[in-house]
Formats: sequence, structure tokens, C-alpha cells
Amino acid sequence: QKEVEQDPGPLSVPEGAIVSLNCTYSNSAFQYFMWYRQYSRKGPELLMYTYSSGNKEDGRFTAQVDKSSKYISLFIRDSQPSDSATYLCAMSDILTGGGNKLTFGTGTQLKVEL
Amino acid sequence: EPEVTQTPSHQVTQMGQEVILHCVPISNHLYFYWYRQILGQKVEFLVSFYNNEISEKSEIFDDQFSVERPDGSNFTLKIRSTKLEDSAMYFCASSEAASGGADTQYFGPGTRLTVL
Repeated sequence: QKEVEQDPGPLSVPEGAIVSLNCTYSNSAFQYFMWYRQYSRKGPELLMYTYSSGNKEDGRFTAQVDKSSKYISLFIRDSQPSDSATYLCAMSDILTGGGNKLTFGTGTQLKVEL
Repeated sequence: EPEVTQTPSHQVTQMGQEVILHCVPISNHLYFYWYRQILGQKVEFLVSFYNNEISEKSEIFDDQFSVERPDGSNFTLKIRSTKLEDSAMYFCASSEAASGGADTQYFGPGTRLTVL
């Protein structure tokens, strides 16, 4: 079983739709969960991070973590064409300090159509 | 807004040649990383570096790879004898050492390495 699984898509939605992106993981030691956005041939850009279970909201984006199910989600409300990108989930098993190795999912390619 | 920068944006080399990829991390960050992404595949951790030494490395990071912080601002990845399978996008990242908090890694734009 892969450590982090993510549906690669592509996912195509109309402008204004609510988008749900998901990852599952197998390593119960993961404590710190991130969502990155990556445009074609660019570096990953941090969108949100959450610690342990719960929800976090930032504008049109909401991140959810369910550690009991080993499942994380990113919701995008009122999706815009500029949201078209690949969304990567990433996880780490060390909370404090630094030097934490991130384990990434394969990324979900999202296209928001006009 | 401070950002991680990487040079060159694209490097083409012949198999067996040495390459050095350059990164300038965010200035007050103390942890530095290299990741790579083979075309169409996921981003993979290579190495983390703190206080002038490697803190963790993956099994990908074998003896042909090395990292260095030659001065107060640069962080380099050297591949001694490149192979065709080293062709990938290489990302540098940096983070602050957060006490009791999250370690948020900021990524550079990447160097595309093509080995012929």
C-alpha cells in the first residue's frame, strides 16, 4: 500500500462549483498535513496546513483532517479558472522543530472551465 | 515577499557529467531541502540539511549526490556522475526552525535537469 494516495484526475468542473480534493494515507504517525498548489512546470506553492484532526478555513479554501479514517480533504468554494492547477497533498510525521521530510501524494489535476 | 530562488532554470548535460544545482533559501530560514519530481510522478524527498550537516536523506540520495552550504546564502546539490534517470525537476525548499509549531516548507521554482 502506498504511503499517500491521491486520485490523479483530471478533474474538470464549471466555474463556481465546489471542488473536493482528497488524500488517504497509511502512516498513522503523520501529524502535519499540507496542501500545495502547483502550476505547470512551477514549484509547489503552499496553500494551507493543518495539525492533527479538524478543519481549517482560509477564504474559499477549507482543509479537513480525519485521522481516525486517515483521510484529508481540501474544499474549494466558488471555484475560478485561476484555480486550475495540480493540487498536492503532503504530510509529515514530526510536528516540532524543522527538517521534516514531506511525503507527497501524486497530485490531482484540476481544471475549472468558464 | 521573500522567496526561494533556484538557478539555472534548465540544465542540459551529458550522461556521466557532474552538475551542480544552485539554490538561495529564504534568508532567515535554517532548514534546507532538496526534492525531485520526475515528469508525471510525485514530488520525492531527497535530503534535509541543518547546521551544516545532513539531518535526513532518502534512499534515492546515494553516494553520487552531495549537498553543501558554501556560504551564508547558497545551498547546492551536486550530482557527481549523472545518469539518464536523474532527469527530473529538482526543487529546493527552506523552512524556519519552529519551536513547538509547524515546519512550513517553501519551495523554489525548480531546476529542470535533462541528462542526454
